[in-house]
Amino acid sequence: KQEVTQIPAALSVPEGENLVLNCSFTDSAIYNLQWFRQDPGKGLTSLLLIQSSQREQTSGRLNASLDKSSGRSTLYIAASQPGDSATYLCAVKNSGYALNFGKGTSLLVTP
Amino acid sequence: DTAVSQTPKYLVTQMGNDKSIKCEQNLGHDTMYWYKQDSKKFLKIMFSYNNKELIINETVPNRFSPKSPDKAHLNLHINSLELGDSAVYFCASSRGLEGNEQFFGPGTRLTVL
Repeated sequence: KQEVTQIPAALSVPEGENLVLNCSFTDSAIYNLQWFRQDPGKGLTSLLLIQSSQREQTSGRLNASLDKSSGRSTLYIAASQPGDSATYLCAVKNSGYALNFGKGTSLLVTP
Repeated sequence: DTAVSQTPKYLVTQMGNDKSIKCEQNLGHDTMYWYKQDSKKFLKIMFSYNNKELIINETVPNRFSPKSPDKAHLNLHINSLELGDSAVYFCASSRGLEGNEQFFGPGTRLTVL
């Protein structure tokens, strides 16, 4: 059974810092990995999707990498802003077709 | 235009009642999902439908019954609601079952009193 772990569970940084969120998964036979953002009381916003054959994806200040063999992904956020404050969720898709989620990293960027 | 929409956004009801949550997507996707986010914010799959056929049915009580009248809709009916059903329910959709991005609705916060 796929287990997804996100470290750290919470993170507080001053504005402008570059930061890395970590995600690990136990079953490397994945179709893809998706990073989401969830604001309090809101739905999930898809940030980046990495297919199993890819090593990384970039969107603006966000860069996500995937090392399938070691079961790891990182989300890199450059030049963090207060508006980046949210919970970041990592999810992987296996042959069961549904996403298996981690418990998230709660990020607070202070001005 | 909203891609994945859910109604209602909030639902407060008494134990023992029956309620439904509706989901619609206008993305032309053929696969739809229901996820449950518990009080600890952990998201877990409940059901998945592909072309109106049930693909995934996790260990969910049979009081929960999904219905897909067409590929654009996946509704969730819950019978005999219990306190433990209180959660946020998210609908999602994707193109196909395997490698494509999933898009989520805004969620329905269900509170059972």
